[in-house]
Amino acid sequence: SAVISQKPSRDICQRGTSLTIQCQVDSQVTMMFWYRQQPGQSLTLIATANQGSEATYESGFVIDKFPISRPNLTFSTLTVSNMSPEDSSIYLCSGGQTHLGRGYTFGSGTRLTVV
Amino acid sequence: DQQVKQNSPSLSVQEGRISILNCDYTNSMFDYFLWYKKYPAEGPTFLISISSIKDKNEDGRFTVFLNKSAKHLSLHIVPSQPGDSAVYFCAATDSWGKLQFGAGTQVVVTP
Repeated sequence: SAVISQKPSRDICQRGTSLTIQCQVDSQVTMMFWYRQQPGQSLTLIATANQGSEATYESGFVIDKFPISRPNLTFSTLTVSNMSPEDSSIYLCSGGQTHLGRGYTFGSGTRLTVV
Repeated sequence: DQQVKQNSPSLSVQEGRISILNCDYTNSMFDYFLWYKKYPAEGPTFLISISSIKDKNEDGRFTVFLNKSAKHLSLHIVPSQPGDSAVYFCAATDSWGKLQFGAGTQVVVTP
């Protein structure tokens, strides 16, 4: 299965600023996703990153707040824009092929603290 | 609304005994059900899955059971080992290939 490198692993940011998180996959994957895990909560899907086109966002998430790029089948970025303390979470990318019985691979996550 | 539910936030089990983790779901259109394991400061790792047309899948110490009529699945770990101490997430996929996760169960295996 694919190996995903995610960076940064953690960051502390000032409110009102933006942070871009990167995910690099060691092989081409059909599907890539971005998740958020708030403290003590489950993983919530933010969006599906589509190669060469706009991401598909889940209810409650918008492009202006979480712009996503996926220029090719091995790389994607998520930007958390105009941050507030409520954005403090772990952000994770995930990817894999479409045969779901094998599951998707996850990056190690980015722990974001907004102060 | 939460379509995948894990109602037990924690489970403590003795080494060598069986761990049973439970998961309920509400969407009868889910295609696959998966279990992920997560250690602190790491991403979730895929553990085992089951197709919606099966009722059991086994892989070594891990067995997943699916009861479609009850919309319930469970993960059995036998025997439990100290390295099994982690958070376990139940997940399900829809027709778009998107994973929906439960809240997780923290498993602690004691000597």
